[in-house]
Amino acid sequence: GENVEQHPSTLSVQEGDSAVIKCTYSDSASNYFPWYKQELGKRPQLIIDIRSNVGEKKDQRIAVTLNKTAKHFSLHITETQPEDSAVYFCAASIGTGRRALTFGSGTRLQVQP
Amino acid sequence: DTAVSQTPKYLVTQMGNDKSIKCEQNLGHDTMYWYKQDSKKFLKIMFSYNNKELIINETVPNRFSPKSPDKAHLNLHINSLELGDSAVYFCASSHEGRNIQYFGAGTRLSVL
Repeated sequence: GENVEQHPSTLSVQEGDSAVIKCTYSDSASNYFPWYKQELGKRPQLIIDIRSNVGEKKDQRIAVTLNKTAKHFSLHITETQPEDSAVYFCAASIGTGRRALTFGSGTRLQVQP
Repeated sequence: DTAVSQTPKYLVTQMGNDKSIKCEQNLGHDTMYWYKQDSKKFLKIMFSYNNKELIINETVPNRFSPKSPDKAHLNLHINSLELGDSAVYFCASSHEGRNIQYFGAGTRLSVL
């Protein structure tokens, strides 16, 4: 089955700096890669996703890049703010709908004011 | 209006008891999931149902039994609770043909 590895496990940045979180996946059939943000005691919430037919996607301060050949994808957050502090999870799945997500182990991002 | 709702939010119980967690979604989705998040925050799929049919059943002890009375509801019944069952259980849903999954607020289960 699919295996998703995520690094780093913790990341501390100064407010205004950029943060990068990286994930690799094992199954070349995976074609959907979402990123979820989970604040303490809350549900995971989708912040951005990318499909395998796209190399990059951006939404304001958040961007995701995908390298299918190398089987890795990354989350980039620019101009970080204290409210970006949370645990971020990458995930991968195959097909459309009906497929469970395989999650990475999470990255705890701390943005220091 | 909450899109994916779970009850209860907290569940504290003794070892050996049987308990149920309920999930309902009002998004019109046809696929629902149960994920388990352990104390180290690992999120792992347990089950998924599509239109009331079981389509994913990971290596979960058979003390866990999901039930989907209709495509808007997916419940999780756990028999003979063990200490290791303590975790946060998240329900999620998606629409076939679209991958985006929406999560419920979670049920924090504590087995004493």
